[in-house]
Amino acid sequence: EVQLVESGGGLVKPGGSLRLSCAASGFTFSNAWMSWVRQAPGKGLEWVGRIKSKTDDGTTDYAAPVKGRFTISRDDSKNTLYLQMNSLKTEDTAVYYCTLAAAGKSLAFDIWGQGTMVTVSS
Amino acid sequence: DIQMTQSPSSLSASVGDRVTITCRASQSISSYLNWYQQKPGKAPKLLIYAASSLQSGVPSRFSGSGSGTDFTLTISSLQPEDFATYFCQQNYNTPRTFGQGTKVEIK
Repeated sequence: EVQLVESGGGLVKPGGSLRLSCAASGFTFSNAWMSWVRQAPGKGLEWVGRIKSKTDDGTTDYAAPVKGRFTISRDDSKNTLYLQMNSLKTEDTAVYYCTLAAAGKSLAFDIWGQGTMVTVSS
Repeated sequence: DIQMTQSPSSLSASVGDRVTITCRASQSISSYLNWYQQKPGKAPKLLIYAASSLQSGVPSRFSGSGSGTDFTLTISSLQPEDFATYFCQQNYNTPRTFGQGTKVEIK
């Protein structure tokens, strides 16, 4: 079964840091393009960024609100995706989902994790 | 950035109704348009990809159409389990962007 399981969320003060993890199983993680998507309480979906597979150069792209503060990385030996979040702001409070972009489905977000809540508050 | 605008933001409908949700892109995105369904407290679920391709396991009452800038999600006969929020999303380029969502409520 294809599965994504996020962890690492919690309460952090403004200016603090947090690292989220996403454990993948049931598919060839090393070939996958992965993204993070977030959803603030009661709001819509916001793409955070993505990382390509290493065979497709492994580069990252970020949304403007997080560029320079957030870093996406992957450890293909552990089938795990990461989101390092630094200089956190109250507006970063959201549920964070990791997603698999399906190559055979026009890179649509085919599989989603259950999400992990990040609360930035003093 | 490509802006995605959905309409309406919410609608009330009855079981058995035909429901149509539209999504407009601020520039042409060819057919790089996807639709998701989200229920409260749950992760979004892919319904339609590439504008009109039905995701495996999704009931055939869901359909998508359009290309360029204007797209439509249609539910041919609304069922109780379809009451949810629906989002469109473009993957023509980065940053990927979503519509603001359409909440489908029980009339």
